[in-house]
Amino acid sequence: GAGVSQSPRYKVTKRGQDVALRCDPISGHVSLYWYRQALGQGPEFLTYFNYEAQQDKSGLPNDRFSAERPEGSISTLTIQRTEQRDSAMYRCASSLTAGGPFEQFFGPGTRLTVL
Amino acid sequence: SQKIEQNSEALNIQEGKTATLTCNYTNYSPAYLQWYRQDPGRGPVFLLLIRENEKEKRKERLKVTFDTTLKQSLFHITASQPADSATYLCALDNSGGYQKVTFGTGTKLQVIP
Repeated sequence: GAGVSQSPRYKVTKRGQDVALRCDPISGHVSLYWYRQALGQGPEFLTYFNYEAQQDKSGLPNDRFSAERPEGSISTLTIQRTEQRDSAMYRCASSLTAGGPFEQFFGPGTRLTVL
Repeated sequence: SQKIEQNSEALNIQEGKTATLTCNYTNYSPAYLQWYRQDPGRGPVFLLLIRENEKEKRKERLKVTFDTTLKQSLFHITASQPADSATYLCALDNSGGYQKVTFGTGTKLQVIP
């Protein structure tokens, strides 16, 4: 079956522009997570959803970052007024069930470069 | 403050030997601890999950231990192969099986033929 997909795979944007990163989880997976990963580091938690409800957004760096999952499937992470420090790999993961930190399936990531 | 520490330096071992990777944590009370493998340019791939009331878990050539007193997990790969070369990440929840997990920085393993 298809795994987690993310688009675009690469995004280059100019400082001040808004970007939207998309995540398509494995069909039927209840939970969806967003992470940011710097080179040589582990994934850094941003936010997660169970179904369409955002459960925890404590990892979002500031109010320029937002995420939604309106129908409990596809999710979009939006960064407004991008800054150079936002450049990173953004990863999405999904898991079959909620209620615990269970096995997560990661997507290939979106490499964001802000010029 | 909360901290998850993995060997920051790469671990080089000879093919056929057992690789042992360490994950130490401070100021966490995890209900679960997970290990993931990450290859260059790819997303992490889940390997094993161990619960706080489990001392040890095995899967094929992999073995994980979890010592909540020492606040440490050890990850072993027996009869290591060059294909095992990758970065290995530990991840844990804060407490109570909460869904948010925090990842360590990972240890890069190189298995030399």
